[in-house]
Amino acid sequence: DSGVTQTPKHLITATGQRVTLRCSPRSGDLSVYWYQQSLDQGLQFLIHYYNGEERAKGNILERFSAQQFPDLHSELNLSSLELGDSALYFCASNANEGHSRELFFGEGSRLTVL
Amino acid sequence: AQTVTQSQPEMSVQEAETVTLSCTYDTSENNYYLFWYKQPPSRQMILVIRQEAYKQQNATENRFSVNFQKAAKSFSLKISDSQLGDTAMYFCAFDTGTASKLTFGTGTRLQVTL
Repeated sequence: DSGVTQTPKHLITATGQRVTLRCSPRSGDLSVYWYQQSLDQGLQFLIHYYNGEERAKGNILERFSAQQFPDLHSELNLSSLELGDSALYFCASNANEGHSRELFFGEGSRLTVL
Repeated sequence: AQTVTQSQPEMSVQEAETVTLSCTYDTSENNYYLFWYKQPPSRQMILVIRQEAYKQQNATENRFSVNFQKAAKSFSLKISDSQLGDTAMYFCAFDTGTASKLTFGTGTRLQVTL
């Protein structure tokens, strides 16, 4: 158990809909990262938040948005969903204090868009 | 931009044998971190081993070791005494420490057979 909690584990929805994925980082971790993994592909970096502030943005679509709340949990919002958005979405966290760059991953949220 | 290349999409090894997975990367940074993550069928991302670029000694974790060649920008993973539980996707990942994200390779699918 990495200590990172993601909900829901599975989600099936239709094109055009909007979903919210939630992540609770490890206790004490200030950084939250979101990654997308399409079928049998590598992990694509979406966005990084540190203590409530956006720190880096990757190839995140404009239809996607994220935020990190004062209690440090994060939400990834996906709107106007398309078939190609079907993927496994990972949240990861770390302390981000420069000593260890290891990311601790949640179990992922599998999104299926029909 | 940093890139990570894993040139072996699939590999197979017999139980108890040794296998080496390749990874190369490209960066102009001098200080950075390298990782190997394992993704078993459960889809959980699990850290296997970590290497800091400023350390000349190759990292070792039980049956897992790396061959870090900084000048060649190479970071291979050696798995000794392979076990059935090692069957998984293996991802090489890179972090400069300032890029605020891990960059992953496309992965190598390892199958351990009897």
